[in-house]
Amino acid sequence: EVQLVESGGGLVKPGGSLRLSCAASGFTFSSYSMNWVRQAPGKGLEWVSSISSSSNYIYYVDSVKGRFTISRDNAKNSLYLQMNSLRAEDTAVYYCARESSNFDLDQWGQGTLLTISS
Amino acid sequence: QSALTQPASVSGSPGQSITISCTGTSSDVGSYNLVSWYRQHPGKAPKLMISEVSKRPSGVSNRFSGSKSGNTASLTISGLQAEDEADYYCCSYAGSSTYVFGTGTKVTVL
Repeated sequence: EVQLVESGGGLVKPGGSLRLSCAASGFTFSSYSMNWVRQAPGKGLEWVSSISSSSNYIYYVDSVKGRFTISRDNAKNSLYLQMNSLRAEDTAVYYCARESSNFDLDQWGQGTLLTISS
Repeated sequence: QSALTQPASVSGSPGQSITISCTGTSSDVGSYNLVSWYRQHPGKAPKLMISEVSKRPSGVSNRFSGSKSGNTASLTISGLQAEDEADYYCCSYAGSSTYVFGTGTKVTVL
């Protein structure tokens, strides 16, 4: 069974930093591109970032460029999102999602909540 | 990277069919046959319901179907059931491993 389990969310002050993690199991993690998607409270889904299977290709939504860094450790079956210079508008549930060969997100974690507040 | 446009809400009675539209641009929906649809129940993670405009992943009911014309994709749910009450999001590949989601549609079963 495919499992994606996010962790690392919490309450952070504006301007602070935090790293989210996503532990993957039940599939060959190193063969898939992975993504982060977020959802602000009461709002819709927003794609945040993607990383290719070997970390060669990395992309971000404009609003997080220069502040967020996606990475992965295929030996540990883990995906990460380092978030710096956090803003109130970054408050959201952050989901990690597996990208299929059909360019869709076929498996999702349960999400981890990040709250930015002073 | 503007969100795709969906109606805020759609409703229908049990057994009826409803259709949710998803309008993008020639840079996303119009350029790729890579539109997917997700269902999200309150407090839960999204679930893939339609892939590549019209393909149903294994385990998804054949009551769900998708289509696309130009810059607009559509999701149709036939034989509406109580369990279909949820939020639905379209998503389009937008090139260079980037994606854009729709604004979301709340489906209510009357």
